Amino acid sequence: EAQVTQNPRYLITVTGKKLTVTCSQNMNHEYMSWYRQDPGLGLRQIYYSMNVEVTDKGDVPEGYKVSRKEKRNFPLILESPSPNQTSLYFCASFSISGATRAFFGQGTRLTVV
Amino acid sequence: GQNIDQPTEMTATEGAIVQINCTYQTSGFNGLFWYQQHAGEAPTFLSYNVLDGLEEKGRFSSFLSRSKGYSYLLLKELQMKDSASYLCAVRVVTGANNLFFGTGTRLTVIP
Repeated sequence: EAQVTQNPRYLITVTGKKLTVTCSQNMNHEYMSWYRQDPGLGLRQIYYSMNVEVTDKGDVPEGYKVSRKEKRNFPLILESPSPNQTSLYFCASFSISGATRAFFGQGTRLTVV
Repeated sequence: GQNIDQPTEMTATEGAIVQINCTYQTSGFNGLFWYQQHAGEAPTFLSYNVLDGLEEKGRFSSFLSRSKGYSYLLLKELQMKDSASYLCAVRVVTGANNLFFGTGTRLTVIP
């Protein structure tokens, strides 16, 4: 089954404690992206990647890192989380060839206290 | 980012028809998507338009005018379960492929 898998689904952590949210897709998609969603602000892009070892900043990259060492994985790293990073996070992927839709992970609800 | 505008909230009656508009200003336009999202859940794909015109899919239709930078999602025979947010997203190709979202329209269906 074609899918994007994010883990964990829920996470409560403390300020400053490094964490990683994983994202994996099984569709051989070139493009992957991370978004955060906050009330009234819609889906805002954090980072995206066009292929292995190719990443670029989105609209709200501060405080986040990503890596794309393999095509299927695109982890989101918070080196020193702060309360303003409390949010709902989504990973998405799509194929850049043809008119294909984006597939989304289930979401990760992160709370930083 | 790109400039994508949608109304913030709409209310409609069960059984009625509602039209949700989306306007965009982008360079490298390569298609427009509509997604439905229930609170706390992942967006789910509804429709895709890349050429001008209407795409119909059961109770849902989507229209695109590329020259006007305008799209709408039409929902017919509204059901209570249609209460959700509806996200307009634009795919662009300007060197890199990317996907940008509007802030979403929260639709409330009332009896």
